[in-house]
Amino acid sequence: AQSVAQPEDQVNVAEGNPLTVKCTYSVSGNPYLFWYVQYPNRGLQFLLKYITGDNLVKGSYGFEAEFNKSQTSFHLKKPSALVSDSALYFCAVRDIEGNKLVFGAGTILRVKS
Amino acid sequence: DAGVTQSPTHLIKTRGQHVTLRCSPISGHKSVSWYQQVLGQGPQFIFQYYEKEERGRGNFPDRFSARQFPNYSSELNVNALLLGDSALYLCASSLEAGRTYEQYFGPGTRLTVT
Repeated sequence: AQSVAQPEDQVNVAEGNPLTVKCTYSVSGNPYLFWYVQYPNRGLQFLLKYITGDNLVKGSYGFEAEFNKSQTSFHLKKPSALVSDSALYFCAVRDIEGNKLVFGAGTILRVKS
Repeated sequence: DAGVTQSPTHLIKTRGQHVTLRCSPISGHKSVSWYQQVLGQGPQFIFQYYEKEERGRGNFPDRFSARQFPNYSSELNVNALLLGDSALYLCASSLEAGRTYEQYFGPGTRLTVT
């Protein structure tokens, strides 16, 4: 079965510093990977996806993610964190049948000024 | 453009009751999926519908059912509510039902069962 793991419950970073939110995946076949962000009392917002092609994927709000096949990782990154980036981040993988997203447990990102 | 809309925003029900949640997808999107998000966890897949047909069902009991209408809107029904059904119910729409299509989520319906 397809799965993703987010090894960090929480990531703390100072405003202006680079941030990384980690995700590793386990899939049969080619991975279809996604990152979403959730603000308090809100639904999930799509940030970016990896389907095929370049290993560095650029997304919304200055976020990018690096796909690494040998390490089965898909880490979310941003060169300079903003306080407004503080939220809950989910990594997800599309299942083989294509009918659902399988989410990780989520990582809380706290950016302090 | 309007995003995915869901109604109601909040709902309080008593154990044993029935609830209906509604979702309108982004204009032009043909696929709707439902997820349950319990506090502190990632969303769990319940159903996917495409062109009014069920394309997938998650590991949820038969108390959960859904349907999609000709205008692509959708309803999620839950019968015989249990305390454990308290959660944020998220609806997501996508252009098509294939693996490469990202899903766009609505704000969710917060269901509390007492």
